[in-house]
Amino acid sequence: GQQVMQIPQYQHVQEGEDFTTYCNSSTTLSNIQWYKQRPGGHPVFLIQLVKSGEVKKQKRLTFQFGEAKKNSSLHITATQTTDVGTYFCAGRGAGGGNKLTFGTGTQLKVEL
Amino acid sequence: EAGVAQSPRYKIIEKRQSVAFWCNPISGHATLYWYQQILGQGPKLLIQFQNNGVVDDSQLPKDRFSAERLKGVDSTLKIQPAKLEDSAVYLCASSLGYSGGFEQFFGPGTRLTVL
Repeated sequence: GQQVMQIPQYQHVQEGEDFTTYCNSSTTLSNIQWYKQRPGGHPVFLIQLVKSGEVKKQKRLTFQFGEAKKNSSLHITATQTTDVGTYFCAGRGAGGGNKLTFGTGTQLKVEL
Repeated sequence: EAGVAQSPRYKIIEKRQSVAFWCNPISGHATLYWYQQILGQGPKLLIQFQNNGVVDDSQLPKDRFSAERLKGVDSTLKIQPAKLEDSAVYLCASSLGYSGGFEQFFGPGTRLTVL
């Protein structure tokens, strides 16, 4: 079945440093979504990418979908303590169906 | 707009006991999902409903897990009997539609501990 891996598993940064998490799928995706889960909270939708090579920005967050539609990345510029949480990518297979497969997640900790 | 509601928020049971979780999705959302999230992992889809019909239950351990969405609105997920490895957070989510890339809205989850 489809597998979605993320690296790194954990990342500790100093406030103001940049952060990137990478997402890789074992199969081609029709689209990919990103979610953020705060400690003790539930996943919250951030964005969806659909087109090959697509880049979207939300303030300090930059999302990219790979040309082959098998990988994606999330980059945060100048992290803040409010960025703390686990970031999940979730991919929908290109072979049809509507099932989202969540990645393994990257836990971000930001220190002052 | 009210979010996805789930109850109970916490449940502690002993192995071999039964447990049921309830979910009320956002009004008007046709698609409802149940996920299992084990500590340190991403959510794993257990079952997906479109209105009151099952769309995907390929990862539901059907020998012990069951779910229903009788009137196409709220849903229950049951585990009978529970095993130690069922300890996890059970998340309910809903989305407006089925096809394409609809964002999913998650409830607060039910944290299950099986002793």
